[in-house]
Amino acid sequence: SQQGEEDPQALSIQEGENATMNCSYKTSINNLQWYRQNSGRGLVHLILIRSNEREKHSGRLRVTLDTSKKSSSLLITASRAADTASYFCATSLADKLIFGTGTRLQVFP
Amino acid sequence: DAGVTQSPTHLIKTRGQQVTLRCSPKSGHDTVSWYQQALGQGPQFIFQYYEEEERQRGNFPDRFSGHQFPNYSSELNVNALLLGDSALYLCASIVWGGNQPQHFGDGTRLSIL
Repeated sequence: SQQGEEDPQALSIQEGENATMNCSYKTSINNLQWYRQNSGRGLVHLILIRSNEREKHSGRLRVTLDTSKKSSSLLITASRAADTASYFCATSLADKLIFGTGTRLQVFP
Repeated sequence: DAGVTQSPTHLIKTRGQQVTLRCSPKSGHDTVSWYQQALGQGPQFIFQYYEEEERQRGNFPDRFSGHQFPNYSSELNVNALLLGDSALYLCASIVWGGNQPQHFGDGTRLSIL
């Protein structure tokens, strides 16, 4: 079964807009990771945030983690058509990843 | 620096058959995990191998088994295939205990007829 859920399940925006995805989880974690998946292909790692961190940035990505609420968010700023993909959060404990249900992001030119 | 490679890319089998999927980890990685991703779902953890032993296992029946070789590559075997085994099978590698991101291959698309 999935660890938790992501919200929204689907998101459609115009190029240049920001996209925010939320993730909730259920158990203790060592870290939380965000991955991108283009249709039918493997997962590409985006960013890892450790349980003792609250916020992390990488380029146009900003991730927050609230361990008291067992939630995380991924913000993609100034989105591009190439950002169109499915995005998954995954909690890690002893290097075992438990994935959420994913958010399908569509960015229109 | 080669990433994670999986073979074959696609596979079609019929119910009751057996299948073997293969994975070579990223150079320098010693731990391999396998995931099953049904259409429209997130990946689900099957099991993890390190030092040629299964270290962790998800909620999958014994029909799913694996192996890791001395060169760290791994196989996933599924016996008595069911229609519900149709999925994308993903392999990921990492350095044991590294608390680092996992690197994924492009997966094997398994279709059961």
